[in-house]
Amino acid sequence: DIQLTQSPSFLSASVGDRVTITCRASQGISSYLAWYQQKPGKAPKLLIYAASTLQSGVPSRFSGSGSGTEFTLTISSLQPEDFATYYCQQLNSYPITFGQGTRLEIK
Amino acid sequence: QDKLVQSGAEVKKPGASVKVSCKASRYTFTSYGISWVRQAPGQGLEWMGWISTYNGHIKYAQKFQGRVTMTTDTSTSTASMELGSLRSDDTAVYYCARGQVGSMLSPFDHWGQGTLVTVSS
Repeated sequence: DIQLTQSPSFLSASVGDRVTITCRASQGISSYLAWYQQKPGKAPKLLIYAASTLQSGVPSRFSGSGSGTEFTLTISSLQPEDFATYYCQQLNSYPITFGQGTRLEIK
Repeated sequence: QDKLVQSGAEVKKPGASVKVSCKASRYTFTSYGISWVRQAPGQGLEWMGWISTYNGHIKYAQKFQGRVTMTTDTSTSTASMELGSLRSDDTAVYYCARGQVGSMLSPFDHWGQGTLVTVSS
């Protein structure tokens, strides 16, 4: 199985900050990576797929990059509604796997 | 807006089975596949398997093989997931999520609201 390791696991930041979350795959997955946002008590929400394609309706302050084994999710200017947990997901091969999550909290 | 609505919370005893349903609305059910994902309390996301609503093709995660059954009913636009031989560590929120109909390897663009399954004696 492909393992995804996110860093950091926890991030404290302020409104207006630029933040970056990294996801590393245990083997190459081309660009078959998605990012999700999850708020407490809610289902995850798709933000980015194919490593860098913004899902319809997602604000442009979210962006993704990377290929192979290293990927990043960047939020250019944090808004209050962005404080949540973020997960990466690989869609290169069976079984589908997720990173352990990055919890983003208000400083 | 496209929607997936899941059945309500369940409490089950160890060894029992649970069936969670996921009803689709406002889109063509057979144009998308359904994956099931679970999340134990305070933990991350775990993919359980995928079913094509078009041809019934199924792929289960190895961990759940022999214990999980995924089905669809196109007449009611409903997907279901049954998990048997329940243990306490199956306590989790179970989600259905929509992806491509022809491949399990597609991002999940819509999710159900989640169903809490509690396994306790």
